[in-house]
Amino acid sequence: NAGVMQNPRHLVRRRGQEARLRCSPMKGHSHVYWYRQLPEEGLKFMVYLQKENIIDESGMPKERFSAEFPKEGPSILRIQQVVRGDSAAYFCASSPSGTITGELFFGEGSRLTVL
Amino acid sequence: GENVEQHPSTLSVQEGDSAVIKCTYSDSASNYFPWYKQELGKGPQLIIDIRSNVGEKKDQRIAVTLNKTAKHFSLHITETQPEDSAVYFCAASSGNNDMRFGAGTRLTVKP
Repeated sequence: NAGVMQNPRHLVRRRGQEARLRCSPMKGHSHVYWYRQLPEEGLKFMVYLQKENIIDESGMPKERFSAEFPKEGPSILRIQQVVRGDSAAYFCASSPSGTITGELFFGEGSRLTVL
Repeated sequence: GENVEQHPSTLSVQEGDSAVIKCTYSDSASNYFPWYKQELGKGPQLIIDIRSNVGEKKDQRIAVTLNKTAKHFSLHITETQPEDSAVYFCAASSGNNDMRFGAGTRLTVKP
């Protein structure tokens, strides 16, 4: 049973370009969470999605950031017109149920570097 | 929303000594408190968790205590080993899809 798969593991973009980060949850999990981790900092909640629905996006910047989890395929975190401050590790986690009273399973992260 | 504070930010111990990491939370509705370990270049992994109906839980060298009245919980690692070196995160959740993490503690175990 494969774990949470994230790709790419490393992504380099120039300022103004777009970054797309993908996350395939564990088999049987329909709930996906995205977190951002700045160097030497903790995990900051960004967005929580179920299949085809955004449930909570309170941690996601209102501009340039968007997320989706289509019926088929991986969840995608999209950052438009990237700036240097977007450089961070982005982690995806999945769970089998929407009520977080159990384990979150994390991927190994996508590390975005903006030049 | 929930706010989780974690101390210390860095901790260095000698192999064989104990390590203690403390967290406080703000939302009295929080009822689930997991601890995650993150090794370099990897994603966080759950190492132990505790629910609000329990005051203490132990798993081999790792234990977690919870004081709901004071809204704080702690991770205790005994007989530390070099492979325990990692970043540890506490988290709190009320079950409303609101899991929030502390800022992390970088633990170094010196051989």
